Amino acid sequence: SQQGEEDPQALSIQEGENATMNCSYKTSINNLQWYRQNSGRGLVHLILIRSNEREKHSGRLRVTLDTSKKSSSLLITASRAADTASYFCATGSTNAGKSTFGDGTTLTVKP
Amino acid sequence: DAGVTQSPTHLIKTRGQQVTLRCSPKSGHDTVSWYQQALGQGPQFIFQYYEEEERQRGNFPDRFSGHQFPNYSSELNVNALLLGDSALYLCASSTGLAGALQSEQFFGPGTRLTVL
Repeated sequence: SQQGEEDPQALSIQEGENATMNCSYKTSINNLQWYRQNSGRGLVHLILIRSNEREKHSGRLRVTLDTSKKSSSLLITASRAADTASYFCATGSTNAGKSTFGDGTTLTVKP
Repeated sequence: DAGVTQSPTHLIKTRGQQVTLRCSPKSGHDTVSWYQQALGQGPQFIFQYYEEEERQRGNFPDRFSGHQFPNYSSELNVNALLLGDSALYLCASSTGLAGALQSEQFFGPGTRLTVL
């Protein structure tokens, strides 16, 4: 079963709007990473947030982590058509020994 | 500084054949992980190599095997191909035995395998 599950499965917004994607997981983690994937291509690393961190920023991206709720969110501000992609969260834990991905959120930004 | 590279880009095989995929990690990285990504799904962990040994393995049959060379590059071998093996195969590199856990993973562009 998937450790990380993204929500919603699909999101469609207009250029300039903000996009929020959520990730829930089931067991304790050491870190959580967000990735972007353009259609049929490799994954691009966006942000890594460790279990002792609550929020991280990178450019137009803001990631939060709530370990008590076992959830994370990715906010993309002032979205652009080029942000159209699938977004995945991946959890990493010592117990699992590997990163576990969800099935992603497909974001469409309309120009 | 070259990132993670994979070859070939695309591959078409028939059922029962064998395939070898190759990956060169990002400069300075010593850990390689392989993932299978079916259409519309997230990547599924196959296995991870560090110091030329398989360190972690996901829920994949023995038909999936790998190797890591002294220069940290890696191969993924799949025997007796099935139609269900058609997928994008992704290689990721990181640093250290627990690299996937504590450091960023950098992914290659993937190899698209089609089994007919």
